[in-house]
Order: sequence, then structure tokens, then C-alpha cells
Amino acid sequence: NAGVTQTPKFQVLKTGQSMTLQCAQDMNHNSMYWYRQDPGMGLRLIYYSASEGTTDKGEVPNGYNVSRLNKREFSLRLESAAPSQTSVYFCASSEGLAGGFSYNEQFFGPGTRLTVL
Amino acid sequence: GQSLEQPSEVTAVEGAIVQINCTYQTSGFYGLSWYQQHDGGAPTFLSYNALDGLEETGRFSSFLSRSDSYGYLLLQELQMKDSASYFCASRRRGSYIPTFGRGTSLIVHP
Repeated sequence: NAGVTQTPKFQVLKTGQSMTLQCAQDMNHNSMYWYRQDPGMGLRLIYYSASEGTTDKGEVPNGYNVSRLNKREFSLRLESAAPSQTSVYFCASSEGLAGGFSYNEQFFGPGTRLTVL
Repeated sequence: GQSLEQPSEVTAVEGAIVQINCTYQTSGFYGLSWYQQHDGGAPTFLSYNALDGLEETGRFSSFLSRSDSYGYLLLQELQMKDSASYFCASRRRGSYIPTFGRGTSLIVHP
């Protein structure tokens, strides 16, 4: 099992360009998440998908859109990139609601390092 | 809302014991988890406490006191490979989504 995979690993964009970050998981998890990580700021939730067909905003959704393509895939789109979106982006998955209220451990992908010039 | 406080950096010597503290303010608190992240890597789950007391997993232990809104991660027999960032994350009742603290950078010296 590959776990959670993300593409690309690195990306440099110019201000105003658009791009989509791809994420896939092979653990049959219901829930998927997108986080950004900036120095000294920990992990901040951008969007999440509790289950296939649903998406919800997290703490910092402005400037982003998401698509839950199917149970395996969850993409993050930057329509018009800004320097403030320079960050490391992590996708994660977990069993979610179907796992009940036992601990909902999150499994993270390797991250995408994005620089916006 | 939710907020978590943890020290930004802790240093220790190889072979020693170190404790990383986390205090939280979480309405409807349900549990506290810990994740480890090496430089350039992805966060990985270490432990979870829903009840007061100590949970032990090998060299790592995690403690929770709900009455004090406080928890800690205890690392014993420190190794150089334990140099990493450690995040506490709280979970609220009715939500399975954690809120992460800002992380503690652990530096282990020889």
C-alpha cells in the first residue's frame, strides 16, 4: 500500500497563475483533508471532505477550492496564486465518521512545497 | 474555540529523558493526540489520550490531565533520530477533526 500520495512534490508559480495539487489514498478512508504548514504556525486546515460527495471549509479556506473526485482522490486548486500562498501543503486521510468516535488517526502524504513568486 | 500552547523548542542530550508540555483551551474537549514530524517529512501519529493518565508506547509515553487542561509527551532514552518537531492536537466532542498546536522542535545533542 502506498498510503497517501501527493503530486507534485515541488512547484514554483508566478503570481496569478493557477494550479491543482493532487492527492490520493489507497486505505479506503472516508475522510480527507488539506493542510498548509508555515514556519512556526503548525498545521492549519484549509478544507476537508468528511465523505465522498461532501466538502467543507476549514480554518483558512480563502483563495482555495477543492474537489472530492471519488473516495480515493481529493484535489486542491489555487485559481490565482499569491505570494501569501507560499507554503508546504499536506494532504491527509482518516477513517472519519464511519470509524465511530474512536481515535481518528490521520495519515499524511509527503507534502507539496509550493513557492509563489 | 480551540487553542493549544507548547514550547517552541526543547533541547536534550542523547540518552536523557525529555518532557514536552501542551496546555489547551478547547470547548467540549474530547482528547489529545501527538504527532512527530522530521524535517522535510510528513507528520506521523504517535499517541492519543482520551482519559486521564499515562499511555505508554515503547520509549514514548503521553499523559493527560483533563482537570488541568494539560498533557505532555515523555520521550525516554533519547536518540539522535528523535530530533524532530512534535505537535499536540486536541479534538472536540462531536468532531473528529483535530486542531494542531504550533509544534515543539526537539533538538537532541550527542
